[in-house]
Amino acid sequence: TQLLEQSPQFLSIQEGENLTVYCNSSSVFSSLQWYRQEPGEGPVLLVTVVTGGEVKKLKRLTFQFGDARKDSSLHITAAQPGDTGLYLCALAGGTSYGKLTFGQGTILTVHP
Amino acid sequence: DTAVSQTPKYLVTQMGNDKSIKCEQNLGHDTMYWYKQDSKKFLKIMFSYNNKELIINETVPNRFSPKSPDKAHLNLHINSLELGDSAVYFCASSPVLGSPQNIQYFGAGTRLSVL
Repeated sequence: TQLLEQSPQFLSIQEGENLTVYCNSSSVFSSLQWYRQEPGEGPVLLVTVVTGGEVKKLKRLTFQFGDARKDSSLHITAAQPGDTGLYLCALAGGTSYGKLTFGQGTILTVHP
Repeated sequence: DTAVSQTPKYLVTQMGNDKSIKCEQNLGHDTMYWYKQDSKKFLKIMFSYNNKELIINETVPNRFSPKSPDKAHLNLHINSLELGDSAVYFCASSPVLGSPQNIQYFGAGTRLSVL
């Protein structure tokens, strides 16, 4: 079973700061997804990365997939209080019949 | 209309009781899932159904029994509840089984507290 290491587990920053969340595995990913979960809600998909070296941008969020497809990162520029939430990376697809395997999550708090 | 809806949102019960959580999706998806999120926010797959057929059962105690009356519904029945069952349970659905870009849509969760 592939395991995902996500770091840091907690991140508390001031509004306007930049941050990066990391997701790593010892095995190659077929594809990786990033989700965001707000309190009292379910996870919502932000992006899927499939190709090694791929970079995707979603407003102030930048997602990178490592060249070897064993790691991914999420970078947020000029964080805002509205970015507060739980960020989850997840392995998707392959032969696991649609099963998502999640990392431990990063709880981000952005203070005004 | 909510795409994936779960009921109830909160469930407080005594140890030893039997309870059910219901899930419905109006997205026309074939595949539905149950996940458990523990107090440390770790989210883990429990079951998956594709078109009413069980396809994933992740070593979950047999006190947990999913039931899918049709492909739009996946319910979770739990017998003899234990303290360790306290968690948030999420239902999800996805349109394409086994796709490398399997996008899942989650419900808002059911927070179960066993006293």
